[in-house]
Amino acid sequence: QKEVEQNSGPLSVPEGAIASLNCTYSDRGSQSFFWYRQYSGKSPELIMFIYSNGDKEDGRFTAQLNKASQYVSLLIRDSQPSDSATYLCAVSTGRRALTFGSGTRLQVQP
Amino acid sequence: DAGVIQSPRHEVTEMGQEVTLRCKPISGHNSLFWYRQTMMRGLELLIYFNNNVPIDDSGMPEDRFSAKMPNASFSTLKIQPSEPRDSAVYFCASSPRLAGGPEYNEQFFGPGTRLTVL
Repeated sequence: QKEVEQNSGPLSVPEGAIASLNCTYSDRGSQSFFWYRQYSGKSPELIMFIYSNGDKEDGRFTAQLNKASQYVSLLIRDSQPSDSATYLCAVSTGRRALTFGSGTRLQVQP
Repeated sequence: DAGVIQSPRHEVTEMGQEVTLRCKPISGHNSLFWYRQTMMRGLELLIYFNNNVPIDDSGMPEDRFSAKMPNASFSTLKIQPSEPRDSAVYFCASSPRLAGGPEYNEQFFGPGTRLTVL
């Protein structure tokens, strides 16, 4: 079992819709959770992080964390074609470096 | 403020040759990470340093790979001898701190080095 699992996609949504990206992790000691966006041929860039159960909003992005279910998600409201990218979920146990999922490819159709 | 700098950006070499990848972290960051990314395996952590000291090199594939961080502003990843299966994009990332609050775990990635071993 992979430590961080994501559906590889592609996840296709129409412009203006809500995109929902999901991630599960296996280590119950995980403390903080990160969402990175990676455009094709580019390096990953941080969108947001979350470490408390519940929701955290930043502009059009909302991260949701449920530690009991070992589940973290990213919602993108009013999706734009420029949001088309691969979204990487990453998990930290505090002392260790980040462990990344394999990423979900999002396609926003104009 | 300059981000993480990596060189070269592209490297094409022949099997058996030595390859050296270079990284300059963001000034003031004290953690540095080397990753390898392929379509098949995704983004894999190879090794990371904290305050120039290697903390975890369990991700280094084999003895052909070695990494050094002689000072806070420079790190190298060396592959000797290189093999076609080493072809990948190699990223270097730096972070302000390893421990502490989650915001200090944010990692800033360099542009990557695309390595092709023929």
